[in-house]
Amino acid sequence: AQSVTQLGSHVSVSEGALVLLRCNYSSSVPPYLFWYVQYPNQGLQLLLKYTTGATLVKGINGFEAEFKKSETSFHLTKPSAHMSDAAEYFCAVRPFSGGYNKLIFGAGTRLAVHP
Amino acid sequence: SAVISQKPSRDICQRGTSLTIQCQVDSQVTMMFWYRQQPGQSLTLIATANQGSEATYESGFVIDKFPISRPNLTFSTLTVSNMSPEDSSIYLCSVESRPYEQYFGPGTRLTVT
Repeated sequence: AQSVTQLGSHVSVSEGALVLLRCNYSSSVPPYLFWYVQYPNQGLQLLLKYTTGATLVKGINGFEAEFKKSETSFHLTKPSAHMSDAAEYFCAVRPFSGGYNKLIFGAGTRLAVHP
Repeated sequence: SAVISQKPSRDICQRGTSLTIQCQVDSQVTMMFWYRQQPGQSLTLIATANQGSEATYESGFVIDKFPISRPNLTFSTLTVSNMSPEDSSIYLCSVESRPYEQYFGPGTRLTVT
């Protein structure tokens, strides 16, 4: 069965520092990959997705992620953290198998940004 | 992207009662999804709801506990039946309004006492 592993349940960075949130998936066939962000007391917002094509994907709010098949990874980065980036981030995969568009989520990483 | 609203936004319910959560989308969509997010945890898919057919439930979720209706292409309801404190969670609906992109509603925060 497909699974998603997010390394680090909590990540803390200084404002202006690099943000790196890690995501690895388990699948012999690369699935479609997504990053979502959840701000306090809100629903999930799609940051970016990878389906096919260019492996470096740019999303909203300055985030980007790179699909690396050899490492089964889809890490999320942002060159310079802003206070407003503090939120919970979820990596998700959509397997190719199955009859519907199921998303499997990782456990989430809570990003804290301090001055 | 689709605009999704949910009602109620939050509720406090007594054990043994039921709560129906509504999900409204501003455009017609084929599939709607219901997720549960338990406190401090990730999202788990409860079921997928297609208009005009029975919902498809994931392992660990049953229709008697979480009946779902999907009367048209813009609306769905999820009922949490015979609630217990373990049902305290955020319940979110989502839709796939663009290929491979799921959009989520703001969630319903349920506390069962």
